[in-house]
Amino acid sequence: GQQLNQSPQSMFIQEGEDVSMNCTSSSIFNTWLWYKQEPGEGPVLLIALYKAGELTSNGRLTAQFGITRKDSFLNISASIPSDVGIYFCAGQTGAGGTSYGKLTFGQGTILTVHP
Amino acid sequence: GAGVSQSPRYKVAKRGQDVALRCDPISGHVSLFWYQQALGQGPEFLTYFQNEAQLDKSGLPSDRFFAERPEGSVSTLKIQRTQQEDSAVYLCASSPFPGLGRDTQYFGPGTRLTVL
Repeated sequence: GQQLNQSPQSMFIQEGEDVSMNCTSSSIFNTWLWYKQEPGEGPVLLIALYKAGELTSNGRLTAQFGITRKDSFLNISASIPSDVGIYFCAGQTGAGGTSYGKLTFGQGTILTVHP
Repeated sequence: GAGVSQSPRYKVAKRGQDVALRCDPISGHVSLFWYQQALGQGPEFLTYFQNEAQLDKSGLPSDRFFAERPEGSVSTLKIQRTQQEDSAVYLCASSPFPGLGRDTQYFGPGTRLTVL
């Protein structure tokens, strides 16, 4: 099935460093979302973006919805050990048609933070 | 509990066996989604329910996969004659409103299915 192109696949960083990851698609999405998944758990929503060009922050996390509606990025500032996990981007086509809000996910970025 | 729950958390099946995976969504949530997550991949959409109606089953990989939500709350994903390629984590998500987008989907912890 279709998946978004997410990069990098993995990152190994030192505590305190900033992190950046991005996601691209060949299709337009009306909503971009970023999720975090920890071992044995389901994805948890971090940030939702609803408008092209929108820049949204949630604590140390900042995400942007690309102008073309085909890409998004997530930045994490001053990383801490509890940031460890797998980060997924997801696109949603939104109302109308037969999408019903289903999510299309990227392959994930595995983040490891060394103390 | 307040969140989405799934059972069993782990299931080991011999190839050819039938399995049934259960999802208890958040009470009152209208929308329910099933996703399949292969090892090292992001979740992929399987099917969508709005109350008891299955409005989208375009992601089900074969006719061996069947899902139901007869009373508009609990849902069951059934896989008949399991194959090794069915091994994955099966995630259930619910959201409060009909599938209009912009609704947060709350995910359960998933069921890890291993087919030997």
